[in-house]
Amino acid sequence: GEDVEQSLFLSVREGDSSVINCTYTDSSSTYLYWYKQEPGAGLQLLTYIFSNMDMKQDQRLTVLLNKKDKHLSLRIADTQTGDSAIYFCADLQGGKLIFGQGTELSVKP
Amino acid sequence: DGGITQSPKYLFRKEGQNVTLSCEQNLNHDAMYWYRQDPGQGLRLIYYSQIVNDFQKGDIAEGYSVSREKKESFPLTVTSAQKNPTAFYLCASSTQGVSNTGELFFGEGSRLTVL
Repeated sequence: GEDVEQSLFLSVREGDSSVINCTYTDSSSTYLYWYKQEPGAGLQLLTYIFSNMDMKQDQRLTVLLNKKDKHLSLRIADTQTGDSAIYFCADLQGGKLIFGQGTELSVKP
Repeated sequence: DGGITQSPKYLFRKEGQNVTLSCEQNLNHDAMYWYRQDPGQGLRLIYYSQIVNDFQKGDIAEGYSVSREKKESFPLTVTSAQKNPTAFYLCASSTQGVSNTGELFFGEGSRLTVL
């Protein structure tokens, strides 16, 4: 069945790196996504990775995909207070996006 | 500017009342979606529509209804049959076709509170 799992909370100090992890169960996934949600707002796409890629880098963001273990991670370098938000991983299955529970990232000055 | 507009942003209703949440998009997207967000549970799909005059149930459709009479509009009605309607509701849209990567564009959400 479809299942996407994330831990619920992560706290880091400003300037440190943040790593948010996600596991999924569907081996036929074609794309995997990271979305960001700021308080009281909708979600915005941060980045996505095609399933035949291992890594994608976009400025401070690095996405790593381990297909064998069905594990996806998002690394944010030099984390800033403005990065505080909820981060969702999502898996494209059968034309629908299946979301994880979301990881709330708290960045302390 | 193109985007998705949800209204109202905040809504209060009494138990036993139906309420309709509006979602309008001017992105010329074929597909539209309604999600419900509860703390610690992520987003759960209520209904989706891939084309005008057609829609499908998502994972938690019970107690909800939708219509898709126009491409731009996908209103969601929360009926009195919905047992626990207090939540944050998010509307989204996406393009279709072979170039579709599944990216969703979200509205700002509507927070419904049942008193």
